[in-house]
Amino acid sequence: GAGVSQSPRYKVTKRGQDVALRCDPISGHVSLYWYRQALGQGPEFLTYFNYEAQQDKSGLPNDRFSAERPEGSISTLTIQRTEQRDSAMYRCASSLEYQGGTQYFGPGTRLLVL
Amino acid sequence: DAKTTQPNSMESNEEEPVHLPCNHSTISGTDYIHWYRQLPSQGPEYVIHGLTSNVNNRMASLAIAEDRKSSTLILHRATLRDAAVYYCILRDIGETSGSRLTFGEGTQLTVNP
Repeated sequence: GAGVSQSPRYKVTKRGQDVALRCDPISGHVSLYWYRQALGQGPEFLTYFNYEAQQDKSGLPNDRFSAERPEGSISTLTIQRTEQRDSAMYRCASSLEYQGGTQYFGPGTRLLVL
Repeated sequence: DAKTTQPNSMESNEEEPVHLPCNHSTISGTDYIHWYRQLPSQGPEYVIHGLTSNVNNRMASLAIAEDRKSSTLILHRATLRDAAVYYCILRDIGETSGSRLTFGEGTQLTVNP
């Protein structure tokens, strides 16, 4: 079946612009996670949802970052007033179960802020 | 979160076994040991997990020390496709924070032909 998909795959934006990154999880998966990965580093947790409820947003670096999953399926990670330090790979993962299920990762969105 | 320690890099030859170590001396009784790997230019993928007993699946084996302070991921016959960064991760699924994966630096495995 189809895996986790993310769009766009690449995004180049100018500093100060807002960006929206989309994640389409595996159908039927309850939990959805967002991670950020800098070059040469492991992914870093940002936030996660069970169905439409945001369970933990402790990893969001500041209030310019927000995420939603209004119908418990597709999720959007929004970064307002982007800064160069926001440049990274943003990865989404989904899990059939909440609280500890195997996470399946998407291909990621490479964000470059000029 | 309990911390894990892994070597930065390891090398192996194709078709030979590989033993990837992980130390987790502060592991708690409810922490599961998970391994994920990340192939070049791809997202991480699940490899295996366990709590106390050794585990086997089609990808690998996981050997867990009796005191659970260390574990070893075993690839029985390395292939070129196994070249990746391997992450050892502790998850306390009894806690909300256990839902997240906390990635460390991982071990970069190089497989020589």
